[in-house]
Amino acid sequence: GEKVEQHESTLSVREGDSAVINCTYTDTASSYFPWYKQEAGKSLHFVIDIRSNVDRKQSQRLIVLLDKKAKRFSLHITATQPEDSAIYFCAASSNYNQGKLIFGQGTKLSIKP
Amino acid sequence: NAGVIQTPRHKVTGKGQEATLWCEPISGHSAVFWYRQTIVQGLEFLTYFRNQAPIDDSGMPKERFSAQMPNQSHSTLKIQSTQPQDSAVYLCASRLGGREQYFGPGTRLTVL
Repeated sequence: GEKVEQHESTLSVREGDSAVINCTYTDTASSYFPWYKQEAGKSLHFVIDIRSNVDRKQSQRLIVLLDKKAKRFSLHITATQPEDSAIYFCAASSNYNQGKLIFGQGTKLSIKP
Repeated sequence: NAGVIQTPRHKVTGKGQEATLWCEPISGHSAVFWYRQTIVQGLEFLTYFRNQAPIDDSGMPKERFSAQMPNQSHSTLKIQSTQPQDSAVYLCASRLGGREQYFGPGTRLTVL
């Protein structure tokens, strides 16, 4: 079945620097790639997504890149702030799954002052 | 908009007892998803309803887990004869059309 691998289990960056989290997927039919943020003791909060008809999407300080040939996508957080500290999950879904999300293992991002 | 509501927030059961978890999706959302989260397995899909109809239950353990959506305002996940390995945070999410899924706060189930 579909698998999503999240390459960094932990990531530490200095406040103001950029953070990059990378994910790969196995199913070539995957067409929707959301990212979720989970703060300590809380549930998942949607942050940004990208669909397979584009290769780049930006929302304020968040940029998502998609490389369909390599089956790889990444989340870039620019000008990081302390409140960006959280666990970030990537996920993938295909049209035939009709919305079921397959999640990566999560990346714990720490922003250091 | 209260978001997705899940009750109870915490549930403790003894081994072999039954647990019923409730989810109220965001009003107007046509799809409801159930996932569970553990430290070891991470986030796992369980089942999915669209317009109250079961669409995909491929993630559900077959023997003791069942889910229903009797009306558009709530869904239930029932676990019979709970086992310690069922301990997890059970997350419900709802979605409007083909857009992003909104997750509820989760129900933390502990089976002693």
